Amino acid sequence: EVQLVESGGGLVQPGGSLRLSCAASGFTFSRYWMHWVRQAPGKGLVWVSRINSDGSSTRYADSVKGRFTISRDNAKNTLYLQMNSLRAEDTAVYYCAGVSYSSGSFDYWGQGTLVTVSS
Amino acid sequence: QSVLTQPPSVSGAPGQRVTISCTGSSSNIGAGYDVHWYQQLPGTAPKLLIYGNSNRPSGVPDRFSGSKSGTSASLAITGLQAEDEADYYCQSYDSSLRGVFGGGTKLTVL
Repeated sequence: EVQLVESGGGLVQPGGSLRLSCAASGFTFSRYWMHWVRQAPGKGLVWVSRINSDGSSTRYADSVKGRFTISRDNAKNTLYLQMNSLRAEDTAVYYCAGVSYSSGSFDYWGQGTLVTVSS
Repeated sequence: QSVLTQPPSVSGAPGQRVTISCTGSSSNIGAGYDVHWYQQLPGTAPKLLIYGNSNRPSGVPDRFSGSKSGTSASLAITGLQAEDEADYYCQSYDSSLRGVFGGGTKLTVL
């Protein structure tokens, strides 16, 4: 059974940092491109970042570029998102997603982890 | 403002057919990138509904279908059922292979 389990969310003050993790199992993690997608309360899905299968290529949404860093450890089947200089507008549920290398669709989704940025 | 444009809401009676549009540009859908659709039931993570413009993953009923033409795509749902009430999102890519989503469409089954 495919599983993506996010962790690391919580309450943080503006300007603070958090590191999200996404533990993968049930599929060949090292062959999948991985993405982070977020959803603010009551709002739609917003793409955040992606990393290719070996970690050599990354991309970011303009809203997080320079503040967030995506990385992965294929030996541990784990995806990360380091979030620095957090702002109130970063408050959202953060989902990790595994993307099919053949179709580009987000085949696998985690259950999400809530990040709240507030003083 | 989402990169892909969807209607905020659609509705239909049980048994009816509804369509949800997704409009992009020459930088994403029109550049040849496939469109994928996701269903998000209340309080849950999104689930892949249609991939590669018109393909259904195993387990998705054939009441759901997708199409793409030019810079737009659409999702059709026939034989509406109460359990179809959810939010629906389209997704594609831009030339840097950054993901782009539509703003989402809330489907109400009357």
